[in-house]
Amino acid sequence: GAGVSQSPRYKVAKRGQDVALRCDPISGHVSLFWYQQALGQGPEFLTYFQNEAQLDKSGLPSDRFFAERPEGSVSTLKIQRTQQEDSAVYLCASTLRNRDGANVLTFGAGSRLTVL
Amino acid sequence: AQSVTQPDIHITVSEGASLELRCNYSYGATPYLFWYVQSPGQGLQLLLKYFSGDTLVQGIKGFEAEFKRSQSSFNLRKPSVHWSDAAEYFCAVGSNSGYALNFGKGTSLLVTP
Repeated sequence: GAGVSQSPRYKVAKRGQDVALRCDPISGHVSLFWYQQALGQGPEFLTYFQNEAQLDKSGLPSDRFFAERPEGSVSTLKIQRTQQEDSAVYLCASTLRNRDGANVLTFGAGSRLTVL
Repeated sequence: AQSVTQPDIHITVSEGASLELRCNYSYGATPYLFWYVQSPGQGLQLLLKYFSGDTLVQGIKGFEAEFKRSQSSFNLRKPSVHWSDAAEYFCAVGSNSGYALNFGKGTSLLVTP
């Protein structure tokens, strides 16, 4: 596609519910990143995929967070048993190929999760 | 570990006035530096980047930034601000020892008539 597409744009969940957030990267982009942006903060790294391989998940806050990219394109971030502190905007970004820290990321508009 | 500091949480400028947003980084080697802009409800859009070479880089929408190694800074500037520039601005740093970008907390720009 022309850009990175994320869905849903807005999600309200009751505490304890499971949620799934979808990211459709730019076609052909090998590298995919998930970031979490709390209110009034900058994005924080969650996890990184190169094709279908999850090479880094060091930023995932707890084992309730799980991400996958089974066919190397669409990725899903799943949060189990949501807590209020999970409320944030979840940003997905992709880039054509990994160039280490010189990655120029294209971001999606984000999925805003509110946990009540 | 690398880090990014944006000292100003909020900045207000009059339309037509000049703008400078500050960014300081902490990193041992030459970093890769970025400025992104985020409008309400939107994702982050790249304004400009510095990897190497000329320390004054030009970006989109009339923005520029200057890399100053001695000051560990990468300040964003614009000579004349437009009302449409009101947004959140993020400085980010990457390194060749990793692939993830580290972002500052952002500076919120308000433009008054």
